[in-house]
Amino acid sequence: DADVTQTPRNRITKTGKRIMLECSQTKGHDRMYWYRQDPGLGLRLIYYSFDVKDINKGEISDGYSVSRQAQAKFSLSLESAIPNQTALYFCATNPGISTDTQYFGPGTRLTVL
Amino acid sequence: GESVGLHLPTLSVQEGDNSIINCAYSNSASDYFIWYKQESGKGPQFIIDIRSNMDKRQGQRVTVLLNKTVKHLSLQIAATQPGDSAVYFCAPHPSSGYSTLTFGKGTMLLVSP
Repeated sequence: DADVTQTPRNRITKTGKRIMLECSQTKGHDRMYWYRQDPGLGLRLIYYSFDVKDINKGEISDGYSVSRQAQAKFSLSLESAIPNQTALYFCATNPGISTDTQYFGPGTRLTVL
Repeated sequence: GESVGLHLPTLSVQEGDNSIINCAYSNSASDYFIWYKQESGKGPQFIIDIRSNMDKRQGQRVTVLLNKTVKHLSLQIAATQPGDSAVYFCAPHPSSGYSTLTFGKGTMLLVSP
């Protein structure tokens, strides 16, 4: 959805490189999430943030870091990319009140050679 | 942790048929359930949700049934259309107040004309 945007949409990089994936939202939601999706494994939570001062590890945070620069922006970094981080990455948001529904961005396809 | 499984990884139906996608969950503390649809190349989109105080909820052409006794829910799609072809995920949510969802692996629905 246009309310949640991710850049880049596709990225090919080499082992050892530092990569940053960016997520921006215009929904005004406090909560933001990063997931990775691998074939046959569904969506797995990497990190999440309930507000600008809050960062929490998810199920598979090793090898990743995040930054919540503002309510609208949540970046995911791979400090030293490795091939098994090749995956589809999704950012999601949630208002934090009245609903647990999450709203997803279009995804970033990352390939690490 | 939450274990979420799907009985059928791939479901093939004819256009116009009714489709039923099943989902089993293991955490009896789950009190809110969301179904998402993910079309090829896109992020997951919310379809319908149900709270544990309900056993049935209907939307437009979709119905979700919840059986808390056996920890099972299903998504029924009436008069399935080619545009319904996608991967469908169920996401149980615990009653902890923290908005982190656990996604199942997904079921691929293939609709042939």
